[in-house]
Amino acid sequence: AQKVTQAQTEISVVEKEDVTLDCVYETRDTTYYLFWYKQPPSGELVFLIRRNSFDEQNEISGRYSWNFQKSTSSFNFTITASQVVDSAVYFCALSEARGTSYGKLTFGQGTILTVHP
Amino acid sequence: DADVTQTPRNRITKTGKRIMLECSQTKGHDRMYWYRQDPGLGLRLIYYSFDVKDINKGEISDGYSVSRQAQAKFSLSLESAIPNQTALYFCATSDRRTGYYGYTFGSGTRLTVV
Repeated sequence: AQKVTQAQTEISVVEKEDVTLDCVYETRDTTYYLFWYKQPPSGELVFLIRRNSFDEQNEISGRYSWNFQKSTSSFNFTITASQVVDSAVYFCALSEARGTSYGKLTFGQGTILTVHP
Repeated sequence: DADVTQTPRNRITKTGKRIMLECSQTKGHDRMYWYRQDPGLGLRLIYYSFDVKDINKGEISDGYSVSRQAQAKFSLSLESAIPNQTALYFCATSDRRTGYYGYTFGSGTRLTVV
C-alpha cells in the first residue's frame, strides 16, 4: 500500500527566511507520480508540481524548488525568501501507475506554514 | 465556469439528517473521486468511480454512499449525519489515459453537522 508522511505538522518562519517542507513516501510500484498542493486559507487546492518516478531532476520555479531523491524516498519542497502570501497548508501526494492503488491519490497529513511579517 | 463544481459550498445540518453533496464536471473525465479533509489527517479517499458502472470504496467509506448518475455527475450521501462527519469534502476527477497523474479538484464543500 502507498503511504505519504509529512512529519512537520506546523512550521513558523519570518518573512524572507527560507523554509523546507519534508515529504517521505512509500510505494512498491516502480512507476508513480508525486505531487505538491497548496491550500490557502480560502480552502481550495492549488496544484504546484507533479514529478514522475523516472525523473529525478530537481525543479525550480521562481522561489519554489523541489528535491526528489528516490534513494531516500523523499520529495522535499523549499520556498526561498518566504512571503506572507506563502502562508497555507501544503500537501504532498502520491499516485501509482499499477496495482490495487492504481489511480488513487494518497495524501500526506499536510504541513501548516505560517509566514510572519 | 469551473471544470469541477461542487454544491453546496457550505452546509450546516443536524445530526440524523440525510444530506447529499453533489459534484459535476465538464472535463470529460471518466474517473471521479470523493475525499474528506480533517485537520492533521490530510485528505482521505471515501469513494471512487472509474466509470459509470464502477463504484469502489476508499479507505473511509463507512457512513457514506455514492451515486454515479452520469459520467459527469458523482454524488456523495450521508444517510444519517453525525458530528464527526464535520469536515471539508473534495470531489476530484481524472482521465483514464492520464489517470494517475492528471487530477482536477473542485473547490470543496464545508459540511458542519450539529
